[in-house]
Amino acid sequence: DIQMTQSPSSLSASVGDRVTITCRASQSIDNHLNWYQQIPGTAPKLLIYAASALQSGVPSRFSGSGSGTDFTLTISSLQPEDFATYYCQQSYNSPRTFGRGTTVDVK
Amino acid sequence: QVQLVQSGAEVKKSGASVKVSCKASGYTFTTYGISWVRQAPGQGLEWMGWISAYNGNTNYAQNLQGRVTMTRDTSTRTVYMELRSLGSDDTAVYFCVREGQTGTTVYFQYWGQGTLVTVSS
Repeated sequence: DIQMTQSPSSLSASVGDRVTITCRASQSIDNHLNWYQQIPGTAPKLLIYAASALQSGVPSRFSGSGSGTDFTLTISSLQPEDFATYYCQQSYNSPRTFGRGTTVDVK
Repeated sequence: QVQLVQSGAEVKKSGASVKVSCKASGYTFTTYGISWVRQAPGQGLEWMGWISAYNGNTNYAQNLQGRVTMTRDTSTRTVYMELRSLGSDDTAVYFCVREGQTGTTVYFQYWGQGTLVTVSS
């Protein structure tokens, strides 16, 4: 199975901050990497697919980059509604595996 | 609009089985596969398996092989996930998810609201 390692596991930030979350795959997954946001008590929401494509309706302050094994999710200017947990997920092969998540909370 | 509506919360005894349903609307049912993802309390996301709504083909996570069965009913646009021999570590919220695909990249595009399954001894 492909292991997905996210860092950091948590971070504290303020509104307006630039936030970067990284995800590393245990083998090359080309660009088959997706990012999700989950607010407690709700279902995850797709933010980015194919490493850098913004899902329809997602604000442009979210962006993704990377290919191969190393990927990044960036929030250019953190907004109050962005305090949540973020997961990366590979769809290169089965089983579809997720990172353990990065929780962004208030500094 | 695409909607996935899941059945309600369940409480089961250890060793029992649970069957969760997921009713789809707002798109051509047989065009997209459905995955099931679960989340134990305070934990991350775990992919459980996938079913083709077109022909019913399945692909299960190895750690659940033999305990999980996914089926679909095209007449009612409903997908089912049955998990047997429940243990306390099966206590989780279970999500059905409709896939999307762009090129060769597949992603979990639309999520059900989740079904809490609680296993008690």
